[in-house]
Amino acid sequence: GAVVSQHPSWVICKSGTSVKIECRSLDFQATTMFWYRQFPKQSLMLMATSNEGSKATYEQGVEKDKFLINHASLTLSTLTVTSAHPEDSSFYICSARGTSSGGYEQYFGPGTRLTVT
Amino acid sequence: QKEVEQDPGPLSVPEGAIVSLNCTYSNSAFQYFMWYRQYSRKGPELLMYTYSSGNKEDGRFTAQVDKSSKYISLFIRDSQPSDSATYLCAFPMIYNQGGKLIFGQGTELSVKP
Repeated sequence: GAVVSQHPSWVICKSGTSVKIECRSLDFQATTMFWYRQFPKQSLMLMATSNEGSKATYEQGVEKDKFLINHASLTLSTLTVTSAHPEDSSFYICSARGTSSGGYEQYFGPGTRLTVT
Repeated sequence: QKEVEQDPGPLSVPEGAIVSLNCTYSNSAFQYFMWYRQYSRKGPELLMYTYSSGNKEDGRFTAQVDKSSKYISLFIRDSQPSDSATYLCAFPMIYNQGGKLIFGQGTELSVKP
């Protein structure tokens, strides 16, 4: 149980275009999902917290208009990188909060590798 | 003082060794404790999730929590080359932070055959 999927797993896009990444909780409902980015050999950096049916909460320094997050259902959150530039190339990972006692554990997706050319 | 301290390693051990991974924390509000394993270019995988002092065992893995000392450990018995990965301790912010995780820096483990 507690499986989170991401799609696509790898995407290459041209500078100036937009890319959408999907994050799905496959066997549980997730009222809260998180989006992270990770550069090689570095730790996970939280970008935003996404709650179903409400606006995402962005971490300091993350551009809301550039990284659009939508959490339209209890099993789906999307991250859209708008007007992508080469510096946006990174590994993007989503996670979903679990439903066990306390419910604070997070289950991560496999990640999406974005390359902007 | 950092909120969470974790030895970044790298840590190299021979196959079959017992591995000890450790984190110390300073925030008394941390009430839940997690260990994740992350392989290169993959999302982290939840290994252990606990919320009380003491030990929790799952197969070759044992998580140990000492709330009074603000210290958590993960022990791996009979380590295998497939255990080679980065291990992250993590603590959820449960008061007004939506449960976002505070991670340790990660310990890179290599198990040599």
